[in-house]
Amino acid sequence: GQSLEQPSEVTAVEGAIVQINCTYQTSGFYGLSWYQQHDGGAPTFLSYNALDGLEETGRFSSFLSRSDSYGYLLLQELQMKDSASYFCAVGNYGQNFVFGPGTRLSVLP
Amino acid sequence: GAVVSQHPSWVICKSGTSVKIECRSLDFQATTMFWYRQFPKQSLMLMATSNEGSKATYEQGVEKDKFLINHASLTLSTLTVTSAHPEDSSFYICSAGGAGGTYEQYFGPGTRLTVT
Repeated sequence: GQSLEQPSEVTAVEGAIVQINCTYQTSGFYGLSWYQQHDGGAPTFLSYNALDGLEETGRFSSFLSRSDSYGYLLLQELQMKDSASYFCAVGNYGQNFVFGPGTRLSVLP
Repeated sequence: GAVVSQHPSWVICKSGTSVKIECRSLDFQATTMFWYRQFPKQSLMLMATSNEGSKATYEQGVEKDKFLINHASLTLSTLTVTSAHPEDSSFYICSAGGAGGTYEQYFGPGTRLTVT
């Protein structure tokens, strides 16, 4: 089977940097994705890592270590609009796509 | 690009009735679409993978006779909740795979189903 772990909640202030970790157990792993979901809305794709290392996209960066079955999403220069739930998701060669439990980020003024 | 729509956005139905939810890829062809269910403050649970022109693949524990999925064209997949019960009340979200494969999915806006 597959399982993912994320912190349930993270709180930070505007302008700060926050890191949301994700650990996973899966077979046939081919990539780790990150999605953002605001309350009442649908998830939106943020990033994807198939290889080890850091991928940077504007204020958001994502990191993957396949040997450690670990990744994180790094959000810099936090803004109020970044308050949302963030999900990591793993895909494997069996074409299953499983989401983590989600981390609720609250950005305070 | 990569816009996915869902209809209806919300629906209230009586227990025992059936409800159909449509998922459309508006500006691309989606060979594969996915259906998820999300309860309040919980994660997305994959219900089934819908492949155009073939039978859907259901996740373990999802009743295929209760949640009927049809993917008749490259731009339309439908989910029918048959004989709905209050415990079926949830947020149903569809997604379509992006050009890079299933790792990048484009989600519809979701359908909030309330069964009374």
